Amino acid sequence: QSVLTQPPSASGTPGQRVTISCSGSSSNIGSNTVNWYQQLPGTAPKLLIYSNNQRPSGVPDRFSGSKSGTSASLAISGLQSEDEADYYCAAWDDSLNGSWVFGGGTKLTVL
Amino acid sequence: QVQLVQSGAEVKKPGASVKVSCKASGYTFTGYYMHWVRQAPGQGLEWMGWINPNSGGTNYAQKFQGRVTMTRDTSISTAYMELSRLRSDDTAVYYCARAGATVTIRHNWFDPWGQGTLVTVSS
Repeated sequence: QSVLTQPPSASGTPGQRVTISCSGSSSNIGSNTVNWYQQLPGTAPKLLIYSNNQRPSGVPDRFSGSKSGTSASLAISGLQSEDEADYYCAAWDDSLNGSWVFGGGTKLTVL
Repeated sequence: QVQLVQSGAEVKKPGASVKVSCKASGYTFTGYYMHWVRQAPGQGLEWMGWINPNSGGTNYAQKFQGRVTMTRDTSISTAYMELSRLRSDDTAVYYCARAGATVTIRHNWFDPWGQGTLVTVSS
């Protein structure tokens, strides 16, 4: 059971816009920034969005992030076949001694 | 470029220990915290803890306290994660991941990641 809640799956056709949600609480998303990671099949995770809505260099502007209250979202516009991957949200959680927490991951299928 | 290269796959018996290495290059090793994250087969990501390569200070996730030890050797820019008393449910890919910036941890991120080390625990 992950601390952050994501839908297990999402899908879209090429060119469409899809969004992936990430729900948390006041101790994590509500008080800290959210990051998103993309994991292509058989590879290590890669940073996609940091500090809620910042894109590292090299990440296409088709990817965008937002945060409101205790929830965050990742949007992918102009969906492409190479976007088919698992997506994870993450945030620092202030509970107890503090820890990084992840969502359970969303498998994105490009139909 | 910033790169993390991990040691190779391991097969261990239940009750044994495993030590995974993560060699950093392309940046000042002591300038950024190093985290360890694991991923069981077909499962999500799980944070295990971090080490401050400068001081050697550590912070472990509660779940792993007492079983995990994170160390570093600054002379060769390498971080280590040792997990003891292995169980079958410790079978996973273990990743090292550098803190993305020198900002406070609550506003930080993981970038880059190592390629992962598969640890299989089986009798």
